[in-house]
Amino acid sequence: DSGVTQTPKHLITATGQRVTLRCSPRSGDLSVYWYQQSLDQGLQFLIQYYNGEERAKGNILERFSAQQFPDLHSELNLSSLELGDSALYFCASSPPRLASTGELFFGEGSRLTVL
Amino acid sequence: AQTVTQSQPEMSVQEAETVTLSCTYDTSENNYYLFWYKQPPSRQMILVIRQEAYKQQNATENRFSVNFQKAAKSFSLKISDSQLGDTAMYFCAFMYYGQNFVFGPGTRLSVLP
Repeated sequence: DSGVTQTPKHLITATGQRVTLRCSPRSGDLSVYWYQQSLDQGLQFLIQYYNGEERAKGNILERFSAQQFPDLHSELNLSSLELGDSALYFCASSPPRLASTGELFFGEGSRLTVL
Repeated sequence: AQTVTQSQPEMSVQEAETVTLSCTYDTSENNYYLFWYKQPPSRQMILVIRQEAYKQQNATENRFSVNFQKAAKSFSLKISDSQLGDTAMYFCAFMYYGQNFVFGPGTRLSVLP
């Protein structure tokens, strides 16, 4: 158990709908990362937050948005869903630099299926 | 920008044999971290091994070891005494503080009985 919690684990929805994925980082971790993994593909970086502030942005679509709340949990919002958005969405967290060994700690992922 | 390349999309190895997965990266930084993550069929991302760039000694974790060649920007993973449970996707990754964590495209490893 990495200590990173993602909900829901599975989600099935229809095209055009909107969903929210939630992530609780490990206790003490300030950074949250979101990655998208389509079937048999690599991990595509979406966005990173550090202590509530956006730190880096990757190939995140305009239909997607995220935020990190004061309690450090994060939500990834996906709207106007398309079939191609079906994927495994990972959240990962990392501790502050001075306490870090550099690695990311991954949640189990949220599997989104768009029908 | 940093990039990570894994030139072997798929590999296979016989059980109990040794296999080496290749990874190269590109960076202008001097101090950074390199990682190998494993993703078994369960899709969970599991850290296999970590290397800090300022350390010359290659990292080892039981049956897993790396060959870190900083000048060549190479970071290969050697799996000794391969086991069926090693069947997974393996991702090489690079991290420099203040910048994103960059993953390679992955190598699918099959351990054959």
